[in-house]
Amino acid sequence: SAVISQKPSRDICQRGTSLTIQCQVDSQVTMMFWYRQQPGQSLTLIATANQGSEATYESGFVIDKFPISRPNLTFSTLTVSNMSPEDSSIYLCSVQSRFTDTQYFGPGTRLTVL
Amino acid sequence: AQTVTQSQPEMSVQEAETVTLSCTYDTSESDYYLFWYKQPPSRQMILVIRQEAYKQQNATENRFSVNFQKAAKSFSLKISDSQLGDAAMYFCAYRSAGGGSNYKLTFGKGTLLTVNP
Repeated sequence: SAVISQKPSRDICQRGTSLTIQCQVDSQVTMMFWYRQQPGQSLTLIATANQGSEATYESGFVIDKFPISRPNLTFSTLTVSNMSPEDSSIYLCSVQSRFTDTQYFGPGTRLTVL
Repeated sequence: AQTVTQSQPEMSVQEAETVTLSCTYDTSESDYYLFWYKQPPSRQMILVIRQEAYKQQNATENRFSVNFQKAAKSFSLKISDSQLGDAAMYFCAYRSAGGGSNYKLTFGKGTLLTVNP
């Protein structure tokens, strides 16, 4: 399986500010994804990060709020913009392994917005 | 759209005993994948087991096995000889076969498993 790291592991932010979360994988992967897990809830897909082009967003998520970059096959960032307390969640990066046809997850970033 | 239902918000088991977690799903597709992920308090999502819908044989990984009933759209997870380290939130997930946006995972709400010593 791929080794995935995320930075930061956690952060506490003020309302109205933005936070950028980084995801790094140790091998080239075709698909990278960003999920949100609100407190006590399941995971919801925010978007698919596409290398060299705009991310593909799921219903209910927009680029202005969650801009995503993916400059190469091993790295992606998710920005949570103009944060409010409702954005307090765990944000997880995942990658699709082309060898095992399975998604593997990073350790997650726990975000608290005051 | 596909949906995944886990009807047991919480389950508990005695150490060394066996426990079964339930999962049902709704889909009109014939080819897909099913997964069980484990999320301990560290919040890392760990793949436990996967099942391809076209395979009739139930998947097994050491102490973990599934009972896949395609006609009933049921995918339960059995944990044998439960250990304290098995305590976690368990999520059932569905994924369509094929590429592109079909790589999206749809998760159930999870079952919190407690293992009692």
